[in-house]
Amino acid sequence: DTGVSQNPRHKITKRGQNVTFRCDPISEHNRLYWYRQTLGQGPEFLTYFQNEAQLEKSRLLSDRFSAERPKGSFSTLEIQRTEQGDSAMYLCASSLGRWNTEAFFGQGTRLTVV
Amino acid sequence: AQSVSQHNHHVILSEAASLELGCNYSYGGTVNLFWYVQYPGQHLQLLLKYFSGDPLVKGIKGFEAEFIKSKFSFNLRKPSVQWSDTAEYFCAVNRGNTDKLIFGTGTRLQVFP
Repeated sequence: DTGVSQNPRHKITKRGQNVTFRCDPISEHNRLYWYRQTLGQGPEFLTYFQNEAQLEKSRLLSDRFSAERPKGSFSTLEIQRTEQGDSAMYLCASSLGRWNTEAFFGQGTRLTVV
Repeated sequence: AQSVSQHNHHVILSEAASLELGCNYSYGGTVNLFWYVQYPGQHLQLLLKYFSGDPLVKGIKGFEAEFIKSKFSFNLRKPSVQWSDTAEYFCAVNRGNTDKLIFGTGTRLQVFP
């Protein structure tokens, strides 16, 4: 058990539908990251939070994507009007502090858009 | 484009063989370097990291990596692999002015008994 919990583990949705994923980080970790991983690729950075503040967003994060961390604890990632190209594994990670502290990853949410 | 390159996509070894996985990055300036491992069906976990100091770093499970600044490389090594090392290995770089990790495409290692 990594301590970073992601739900759901799998999601199948029809193109055009909205989906929302949840990430519960390790408690007291102030930094939370979202990555996306497609087959044969390494994880790609999407966005990250320090407490409730969203500090950086990747250009990969189109207008259809939104992430929140309203109370500085759990986070949600919503994809509106899903497209087949959104099919991927969405990974969440958390850390206590900045780059020099280990980021702990969850097991991910696998999204399939049909 | 700035990137992290892992040239070995798939490596197959017998137990007790030595392992070296290549990682090159193209960023200038200060970088922090990581190797992560993902065992089948499990989450990514940190093997080792380099921030500063001795360029030869030791991690868990007998792995080590050497930072060679002049070659922009951070290769992962293990003198004698075990079947349980079968996994996917990712090199990652963090530039000193940001907190995100840039990952390579990964190397799939299969170790046969």
